[in-house]
Amino acid sequence: GQQLNQSPQSMFIQEGEDVSMNCTSSSIFNTWLWYKQDPGEGPVLLIALYKAGELTSNGRLTAQFGITRKDSFLNISASIPSDVGIYFCAGQLWDSNYQLIWGAGTKLIIKP
Amino acid sequence: DTGVSQDPRHKITKRGQNVTFRCDPISEHNRLYWYRQTLGQGPEFLTYFQNEAQLEKSRLLSDRFSAERPKGSFSTLEIQRTEQGDSAMYLCASSFPIPTDTGIKNIQYFGAGTRLSVL
Repeated sequence: GQQLNQSPQSMFIQEGEDVSMNCTSSSIFNTWLWYKQDPGEGPVLLIALYKAGELTSNGRLTAQFGITRKDSFLNISASIPSDVGIYFCAGQLWDSNYQLIWGAGTKLIIKP
Repeated sequence: DTGVSQDPRHKITKRGQNVTFRCDPISEHNRLYWYRQTLGQGPEFLTYFQNEAQLEKSRLLSDRFSAERPKGSFSTLEIQRTEQGDSAMYLCASSFPIPTDTGIKNIQYFGAGTRLSVL
């Protein structure tokens, strides 16, 4: 079962607004990953984080690996309609055969 | 396109029938994973292969489920005597672990999935 707490569960925002979502865990991870999934498609990797404290950007997306290694956040600046979808965080341990532990997702909806 | 491909994209079957899904990973990737995803949830790990060896199976993988990767390239997932509870999206992912100075990078890349509906 899932061990990550991802919040919020859903977000209704206006186009152009900034978005923030986060994941927390009771366990530490060596890697944090953020994926986006569109309806009927598989998850697509957005950002990968490998070191505690690491801050990484990918265009309008910025993600950070928490200092405690038990949390991560994802920010999206100046949202656009194509940002709609479900965002998943996933944690990975190197000694667990690299299995991914997933959050339940944050559904992003842009109000017309 | 050199990404992970899955076939079929959609499968509708009657309860009790057997179904088989195929996954073709990214060509140089030695690891292949199967996940199941239901609506409103993240993917749940089922099993994974390193080359042709199946190294781990989740307890979610009941006796009715079997996966193979005979030549270390494509993989198949078979579900026998399907039940309505098997209805889900079945996702395949592949990866190639890379040692670095800061640890192991092992990014999993996903296919588009096979949506199974059991009537």
